[in-house]
Amino acid sequence: EVQLVESGGGLIQPGGSLRLSCAASGFTVSSNYMSWVRQAPGKGLEWVSVIYSGGSTYYADSVKGRFTISRDNSKNTLYLQMNSLRAEDTAVYYCASLTVTYWYFDLWGRGTLVTVSS
Amino acid sequence: SYVLTQPPSVSVAPGQTARITCGGNNIGSKSVHWYQQKPGQAPVLVVYDDSDRPSGIPERFSGSNSGNTATLTISRVEAGDEADYYCQVWDSSSGPTYVFGTGTKVTVL
Repeated sequence: EVQLVESGGGLIQPGGSLRLSCAASGFTVSSNYMSWVRQAPGKGLEWVSVIYSGGSTYYADSVKGRFTISRDNSKNTLYLQMNSLRAEDTAVYYCASLTVTYWYFDLWGRGTLVTVSS
Repeated sequence: SYVLTQPPSVSVAPGQTARITCGGNNIGSKSVHWYQQKPGQAPVLVVYDDSDRPSGIPERFSGSNSGNTATLTISRVEAGDEADYYCQVWDSSSGPTYVFGTGTKVTVL
């Protein structure tokens, strides 16, 4: 079965760091365009970051300079390193694969909750 | 940055038709995708490239896109269609970004 499973969320104080993981099965992370999308409580979806199969990375302005997307091909896992966390980063973080034909998200994980609070 | 605007809510009786709009500057020139999200669940793609349906999505879901407005139409609405719906496009005007609409809550009366 093709699936993405996120982990690493939790409660973190403002200014702290956290690393999210997204383990893939039945699916090769390095061969695909992979992204992180978040959703604050009661709010809409917000794209966070993408890593292309060639390794190029892009970020939303709201996280640029604070978050880093990466992958470990040997572990078939996608990561999101989050530094200098703020209260407004509180959200469920989903990893998702992106099709390169029409640029839509075709496979989603179930998400992991990050809460930034003192 | 590119902005997509949706109505916050749409209410519809069972068996009727729900239409959800997604407004954006010259959105007709872009490929629009639609997601359904039920409480506590990840989004699910229901329409891609303006009007195509992924396998497993009922024909009741259809889409169109022209000018400054894209529309998701749900025909013969069922109770199970009650959910939040989001449009999404790819924008490259200032680096590649993936823009979501503001979201619409569909309530089945």
